[in-house]
Amino acid sequence: NAGVTQTPKFRILKIGQSMTLQCTQDMNHNYMYWYRQDPGMGLKLIYYSVGAGITDKGEVPNGYNVSRSTTEDFPLRLELAAPSQTSVYFCASSPGQGNTEAFFGQGTRLTVV
Amino acid sequence: AQSVTQLGSHVSVSEGALVLLRCNYSSSVPPYLFWYVQYPNQGLQLLLKYTSAATLVKGINGFEAEFKKSETSFHLTKPSAHMSDAAEYFCAVSETGTYKYIFGTGTRLKVLA
Repeated sequence: NAGVTQTPKFRILKIGQSMTLQCTQDMNHNYMYWYRQDPGMGLKLIYYSVGAGITDKGEVPNGYNVSRSTTEDFPLRLELAAPSQTSVYFCASSPGQGNTEAFFGQGTRLTVV
Repeated sequence: AQSVTQLGSHVSVSEGALVLLRCNYSSSVPPYLFWYVQYPNQGLQLLLKYTSAATLVKGINGFEAEFKKSETSFHLTKPSAHMSDAAEYFCAVSETGTYKYIFGTGTRLKVLA
């Protein structure tokens, strides 16, 4: 059972570089999410998707872009990386029913220097 | 918008002592509520969830939580702490209709020998 898989696990970027964080799930979940986790701040929602071709902004979308061309994949794109984007990024998925939990990947630790 | 408040960013207990981690939510309509645990350098793992079937919810590793509508609370407890319980714990609520998960800022539990 793979669940939610994120790659890479670690990455160091220079200011101004760009990268894509990959996320794939094998549970056929309609809903997918990207969160960032900063110390003492909990998890903040960046973007989410309710199905292939449909995405929407979360609480902290600035500096990020997403796409959802398939049910399985939900990549997060960082353009022009900034030090403020240093964080741990988590991808999650859920069936989209209120009483079901979100399933999380293992996270990507990103440092922008 | 819904919010989740976790009182106490750090809690220390002695091994064998009661664990009590506090969570309050803001919704006037009882939402779906979740507790997650995060061990160092790992993703979030579901401990338990409230789905309106019962106000006292039992989870994994001996944890339980009680939903109290009058207090808008969903505190997490464990009768006897174990060293392996040392981790960060997050309370979350699922927003009705959008199925977005809103997280508290987390409580880091330290267990003293």
